[in-house]
Amino acid sequence: NAGVTQTPKFRVLKTGQSMTLLCAQDMNHEYMYWYRQDPGMGLRLIHYSVGEGTTAKGEVPDGYNVSRLKKQNFLLGLESAAPSQTSVYFCASRGTGGLNEKLFFGSGTQLSVL
Amino acid sequence: KQEVTQIPAALSVPEGENLVLNCSFTDSAIYNLQWFRQDPGKGLTSLLLIQSSQREQTSGRLNASLDKSSGRSTLYIAASQPGDSATYLCAGYNNNDMRFGAGTRLTVKP
Repeated sequence: NAGVTQTPKFRVLKTGQSMTLLCAQDMNHEYMYWYRQDPGMGLRLIHYSVGEGTTAKGEVPDGYNVSRLKKQNFLLGLESAAPSQTSVYFCASRGTGGLNEKLFFGSGTQLSVL
Repeated sequence: KQEVTQIPAALSVPEGENLVLNCSFTDSAIYNLQWFRQDPGKGLTSLLLIQSSQREQTSGRLNASLDKSSGRSTLYIAASQPGDSATYLCAGYNNNDMRFGAGTRLTVKP
């Protein structure tokens, strides 16, 4: 049982390049989230999904796209990277009902956009 | 829109001291509140989850309380240890949206 796995762990992009971050969970969770964490600003929600085939915008969705084609995977895409997207990205997932709503996080992806 | 605030931003205490971390939120229609621990360069680990119908949760030396009417939650750490040094974040959940505080960075000195 690996929990929530994010790949890659580190990435450096040039402005304008594109990339996809992969999040995989093996807990059969319905809900999956993408956050970014910046110094002094806490975690901010980018996009989330309440089930396979569904996605929704969070607090800071501009410049990002997501897809949830399979229940266990949630992909975050940057179509044209900008320096303002330099951040640490975290994926999280949770189940439904009572203690199943505990949020489980991946170990993060450090992204630098030059 | 839910806003979550944590004060202080940083706290340093000697080993063995009991301490309280504070979290305040603006929307009392909170569905649940969670406390997390984050070690440097790592992801977040959920410590305690308090549902809106509950007043507190306990796990070992940790006790978290929730007061929806005042918009406050506290995390009590008993007999602090150097291994408790980390950043502690609280997050309030409403309507498919979980909002995080900026965290309190705790240092426990031997």
